[in-house]
Amino acid sequence: KQEVTQIPAALSVPEGENLVLNCSFTDSAIYNLQWFRQDPGKGLTSLLLIQSSQREQTSGRLNASLDKSSGRSTLYIAASQPGDSATYLCAVLYNQGGKLIFGQGTELSVKP
Amino acid sequence: AAGVIQSPRHLIKEKRETATLKCYPIPRHDTVYWYQQGPGQDPQFLISFYEKMQSDKGSIPDRFSAQQFSDYHSELNMSSLELGDSALYFCASSSMTSEYTDTQYFGPGTRLTVL
Repeated sequence: KQEVTQIPAALSVPEGENLVLNCSFTDSAIYNLQWFRQDPGKGLTSLLLIQSSQREQTSGRLNASLDKSSGRSTLYIAASQPGDSATYLCAVLYNQGGKLIFGQGTELSVKP
Repeated sequence: AAGVIQSPRHLIKEKRETATLKCYPIPRHDTVYWYQQGPGQDPQFLISFYEKMQSDKGSIPDRFSAQQFSDYHSELNMSSLELGDSALYFCASSSMTSEYTDTQYFGPGTRLTVL
C-alpha cells in the first residue's frame, strides 16, 4: 500500500531557528513529490515540487530534498519567522495525471 | 494568472439533504480532481476526470457522484448528507498537454457543514 508519513506531527520553534520537516513514503517508484503549506481552514499553497529525477529544489528560504532510494524527503526552512506558522503537507504523485497521496502534515508554530 | 475556481466557498446543509459543489479549472486544463479533507485530516482523493471521462476513483461514497462537462467544469453531487460529510472539499486541475503535465493546481476549497 502506498503511504506517506510525516514526522513530527507538530513542531514549535523560536523565531530565527532553522528547521527540518520530514516526509517518508513506502513505495519509492514516485513520479514527483510536492510540499504544500496550509493555513488553518484555508486552501493548499504549493511550495516546491521535486521531480523523481531531481535531488532538491529551492525557493527563497525553503529547500526541499528528495532521496528516492530511501523513500524520504525533507523540507528545510531557514531563519524561521512567525509568518511561517502553518501546517506543511507533503504529497506524492505516482503516475502522471494520477492522484496525489498526502501525508498527515506537520503543524509548525514559530514563536516571536 | 487564472486559478481554479470553486463555488460555493461555504455551504451549510441539514442531514439527508443534497449538495452540489462546482469547480472551474484553469483555462485549457483538461483534468479535474476532487479531494476531501476532514477536520484535522489530510486530503483524501475522491475522483478525477480527464477529457470528460472518469479517469480514477478513490474513496468516494456511493452517495456521491461527479461529472465533467463539455466546458471542462466539474460538479460533485452529494446526496443523503451525513454529519461525517462535513469537510473541506478541494478541486484541482492539470493539463495533460502542457509542459507541466504533472502539476495539480488547487482551488480554495468549499467548506461543507452538515448539521
